[in-house]
Amino acid sequence: GQNIDQPTEMTATEGAIVQINCTYQTSGFNGLFWYQQHAGEAPTFLSYNVLDGLEEKGRFSSFLSRSKGYSYLLLKELQMKDSASYLCAVQRRGSTLGRLYFGRGTQLTVWP
Amino acid sequence: NAGVMQNPRHLVRRRGQEARLRCSPMKGHSHVYWYRQLPEEGLKFMVYLQKENIIDESGMPKERFSAEFPKEGPSILRIQQVVRGDSAAYFCASSPGESNQPQHFGDGTRLSIL
Repeated sequence: GQNIDQPTEMTATEGAIVQINCTYQTSGFNGLFWYQQHAGEAPTFLSYNVLDGLEEKGRFSSFLSRSKGYSYLLLKELQMKDSASYLCAVQRRGSTLGRLYFGRGTQLTVWP
Repeated sequence: NAGVMQNPRHLVRRRGQEARLRCSPMKGHSHVYWYRQLPEEGLKFMVYLQKENIIDESGMPKERFSAEFPKEGPSILRIQQVVRGDSAAYFCASSPGESNQPQHFGDGTRLSIL
C-alpha cells in the first residue's frame, strides 16, 4: 500500500503562519495534491505539485521534494475560516493514474 | 456553474436494503471517481469510471457493491444488502481526465444503516 503520513492535529492563532507536513512512500510517484475539507463538506482543491519546488497561490503555498518523499502546505495570515482538515493525496503513474491515495488529514484549529 | 452534484445528501437504510447513490460530474468532465470516508479516517478510493467503462475498481468490495456510469445520466454507486459497516460518507469526484488536472468533489452522501 501507500504510506502517507501527516500530523493528526495542529493549532495556530489568527494572523500566524502554519506549515502542515506530509511524507509519503510510494512507487511510481506522479504528483501530489492538497485539499481542504470543512466538516460535513466536500474536499476542495488547493494545490498540485509534480516537480520539486514551491508553488505559491495567494496565502497558500505548497512545496515538494520528490527525492525525500516530502511535501508541506504553508498557510500565511491565518484566518478563522482556515480551521478545517487538510488532506494530502498522492497520485501514481500507470494503470492507477486515476486514483488518489489520501492521508488521514490534519485537523487545523485557528484560535482568535 | 454547477459543480459535482451528488444526491441524496443523506440516506438512511435498514440492514439488508439497497442503497443507490447518484453523482453527476461537472460539465465537460468524463471521468468519475468514488471514495468512501469513515470518521477520523482519510478518503479511500473505491472505483474509477469513464462513460460506459469501469477503469479501476480495485478499491471496491467484490460483493454487494457495484458502480456504473452510463452513456446518459449520472454515475450510480449501488450497495446491495447493506450492513452497519457500510455507514460512511461517500464522495464522488470528477475530472477532465488529464493527469495534472485536479479531481473536483461533490458534497457527498452520508449513508446511515439502522
